[in-house]
Amino acid sequence: ETGVTQSPTHLIKTRGQQVTLRCSSQSGHNTVSWYQQALGQGPQFIFQYYREEENGRGNFPPRFSGLQFPNYSSELNVNALELDDSALYLCASSLGGQFEQYFGPGTRLTVT
Amino acid sequence: AQRVTQPEKLLSVFKGAPVELKCNYSYSGSPELFWYVQYSRQRLQLLLRHISRESIKGFTADLNKGETSFHLKKPFAQEEDSAMYYCALKVGGGNTPLVFGKGTRLSVIA
Repeated sequence: ETGVTQSPTHLIKTRGQQVTLRCSSQSGHNTVSWYQQALGQGPQFIFQYYREEENGRGNFPPRFSGLQFPNYSSELNVNALELDDSALYLCASSLGGQFEQYFGPGTRLTVT
Repeated sequence: AQRVTQPEKLLSVFKGAPVELKCNYSYSGSPELFWYVQYSRQRLQLLLRHISRESIKGFTADLNKGETSFHLKKPFAQEEDSAMYYCALKVGGGNTPLVFGKGTRLSVIA
């Protein structure tokens, strides 16, 4: 069984740029949730995708967007990057209807 | 809005001493509560959930609805318990998201 993977591991971008982060869900999982974890904070829910449709969104502006593909992998896109977007971005996959979310290792985004 | 509070950023205990990591939540309905753990250089993983009422690695947690708490306890701390611990709340079943606290770093001193 393959676990959740994320790419890239680290990323440095400049304010105003755009970024795409990728997540491959655990085998058999059809739901992907994205979280932002700022330094010293717990993970904060961004949005969730279930069978290629957005299925819930946290308190994040529209410049945070996502996609889920037929193989259930997912992308998180952030436009017009701001310094406060610097954080660890976590992806978690789960099987629809079950509660446990399996987390990936995260992507560390630094915005300068 | 739902909220999870972990009042201690850092908790240091000696090996063999009891451990209690505090977690309080705000939610008026019937919550699902979880403890997640992140060991050094590892990913976030589920430690235990209140529904199962099980003991994992010697840790237990009891949901107290009257006090809206879900404290994590272990009678005798071990060095390998040193990690970051997050309490999380889930409102509603299925694919609803987790609401995390800010976490408590547990350091077990030999």
